[in-house]
Amino acid sequence: DAEITQSPRHKITETGRQVTLACHQTWNHNNMFWYRQDLGHGLRLIHYSYGVQDTNKGEVSDGYSVSRSNTEDLPLTLESAASSQTSVYFCASSDSNSPLHFGNGTRLTVT
Amino acid sequence: SQQGEEDPQALSIQEGENATMNCSYKTSINNLQWYRQNSGRGLVHLILIRSNEREKHSGRLRVTLDTSKKSSSLLITASRAADTASYFCATGGSGNTPLVFGKGTRLSVIA
Repeated sequence: DAEITQSPRHKITETGRQVTLACHQTWNHNNMFWYRQDLGHGLRLIHYSYGVQDTNKGEVSDGYSVSRSNTEDLPLTLESAASSQTSVYFCASSDSNSPLHFGNGTRLTVT
Repeated sequence: SQQGEEDPQALSIQEGENATMNCSYKTSINNLQWYRQNSGRGLVHLILIRSNEREKHSGRLRVTLDTSKKSSSLLITASRAADTASYFCATGGSGNTPLVFGKGTRLSVIA
C-alpha cells in the first residue's frame, strides 16, 4: 500500500544545531507540504512543493528550508534550531485538487 | 493566518448522541474539507464539499456548507467512543492553493 513516512518520530536537539526531518511518500504525488502543529495555533504551513525543483514559502517559513530533488522526498531543514521551533511537524502529499495524505509526524524538541 | 475557525474548541458528549462542529472562514473558497486527528497521529481526510454543494453525506457524517455565511458544519450521528479525536476544517482556494487549516475541535465521546 502507498504511504507517507516521516523520520525520526522523535528528536531532541540543542539550540543552534542544524536539523533535517525526512518525509518520503510512495503515492507518486506531485504536491508535498510541511506543517507545524502547536497548541493554540492548529496547523500552520511552513513550505510546500508542486513538483521536482519547485519549492514555495508558507505562512511560517523563517528559519526553515526545503529542497525537492525527486518526487518521493521533501526533507525539511532547520538551519539553526531555536526553542521556538519546538513543535510537532507533519508532512503531507496530494495530487492536484485532491485531499491530503499525512504522515504521523515528528515531535521535535529544541533545548 | 488561520482561515477556518472551528467552534466549539472542545466538546464532550455521551455515546449515542450526535456531535456538531462548526467552521467559519473569511475568504471565498473552492472547497472545504474536514479532517480527523487521533492522538499522536497524522490527520486523516474525512469529507470534501465543493463551493457549489450545500450538503454531503458519508456514512454517519453529514457536512453542510453555507457560502453566503462563510460557514460549514460537521455532524457525526450516533457517536461512538472511537470517534474521540480532534476535527479540523480546511479551506482550499482556487487553483492549487495550499489548504489552510483551522485550530480544530477536540471531541470526547464518553462510553
